[in-house]
Amino acid sequence: AQSVAQPEDQVNVAEGNPLTVKCTYSVSGNPYLFWYVQYPNRGLQFLLKYITGDNLVKGSYGFEAEFNKSQTSFHLKKPSALVSDSALYFCAVRDEAGTALIFGKGTTLSVSS
Amino acid sequence: GAVVSQHPSRVICKSGTSVKIECRSLDFQATTMFWYRQFPKQSLMLMATSNEGSKATYEQGVEKDKFLINHASLTLSTLTVTSAHPEDSSFYICSVDGGNTIYFGEGSWLTVV
Repeated sequence: AQSVAQPEDQVNVAEGNPLTVKCTYSVSGNPYLFWYVQYPNRGLQFLLKYITGDNLVKGSYGFEAEFNKSQTSFHLKKPSALVSDSALYFCAVRDEAGTALIFGKGTTLSVSS
Repeated sequence: GAVVSQHPSRVICKSGTSVKIECRSLDFQATTMFWYRQFPKQSLMLMATSNEGSKATYEQGVEKDKFLINHASLTLSTLTVTSAHPEDSSFYICSVDGGNTIYFGEGSWLTVV
């Protein structure tokens, strides 16, 4: 069965500093990996995905993520955080069969000015 | 623009009544849609997979008679919460399978009083 782990409930960074939000996964076969962001009382916005190809994936709003097969990780990164990046971030995985996304518990990112 | 439209965004109903939430795919035809439930500050839990023209596939522990899902067309899936109780109060989010990317609606807040 697929699973996703986001080990940090909250990540705090200062504006302008780099940020990392961690994600590890477990899936049979090749993973399809996603990052979404959720602002309060809103739905989920797609940030980026890894299906195949380059391990470094670039997405929306300056975010990127690196797929590491040996460590089964897909950490979200941004070189310089903005206060407006403060939100709830979800990592998700689906398998090659195209089943529904399975989500991690979410990580709250707080960027201070 | 929005890929998925969800309606209503907020609904309050009396205990014992039923309420219907609609999920529309705006940009493409969707044979598969997914329904999730999210409690405050928690992750998204998959409730069911909605398949156009056939019965929905429910996750373990989700009562199919209570959460009725209908996917009558390639652009519309509905979730009906029957005989709602206060414990059904939650944020319900639908998503549309766009192939390699899954798109989410803005969610529907259900409050049962």
